[in-house]
Amino acid sequence: AQSVTQLDSQVPVFEEAPVELRCNYSSSVSVYLFWYVQYPNQGLQLLLKYLSGSTLVKGINGFEAEFNKSQTSFHLRKPSVHISDTAEYFCAVIRAGNMLTFGGGTRLMVKP
Amino acid sequence: KAGVTQTPRYLIKTRGQQVTLSCSPISGHRSVSWYQQTPGQGLQFLFEYFSETQRNKGNFPGRFSGRQFSNSRSEMNVSTLELGDSALYLCASSFGTPAYEQYFGPGTRLTVT
Repeated sequence: AQSVTQLDSQVPVFEEAPVELRCNYSSSVSVYLFWYVQYPNQGLQLLLKYLSGSTLVKGINGFEAEFNKSQTSFHLRKPSVHISDTAEYFCAVIRAGNMLTFGGGTRLMVKP
Repeated sequence: KAGVTQTPRYLIKTRGQQVTLSCSPISGHRSVSWYQQTPGQGLQFLFEYFSETQRNKGNFPGRFSGRQFSNSRSEMNVSTLELGDSALYLCASSFGTPAYEQYFGPGTRLTVT
């Protein structure tokens, strides 16, 4: 069975500082990996996805993630965060069909 | 293109009642999935429908059911509501399988009192 672990439940960071949100997955088969963002009182928005190919994936809003098969990780990074990046971020993998398995989420809190 | 819409956005029900939530996917999308989001359990998969057939089901009791219509719109029903059913219910649509991109609606916030 696949599972996803987000190592930090909350990450406080100052505006314009870099940030890394950590995600580890467990799977014995190839996976498709995703990062979603959820702003207050909204649904989920896809930030980026890894399907195959280059291990460095670029997404929207200046975010990027690196797939590391040997460490079974898919960490999300941004070199300089803005107040508007304050949100909850979810790492996810695809299981059977279109069933997404999500990590517990990381609340990113950007402080001025 | 219009996004995924969910109605109603907010709902308050009493224990023991039943509720029906609706989801209209993006035009042309044939797969609709439902997720429950709670502070304690996080995001959990409920079920997925593709071309009116349920393809996958999560680990939820039989009180949770759903269906999909020929126009791909989907409904989910929860019978005999319990306090623990209070949650944000999210619907996601995608074109095919596997769903490289799933588009989520804003959710329906269900409060059971």
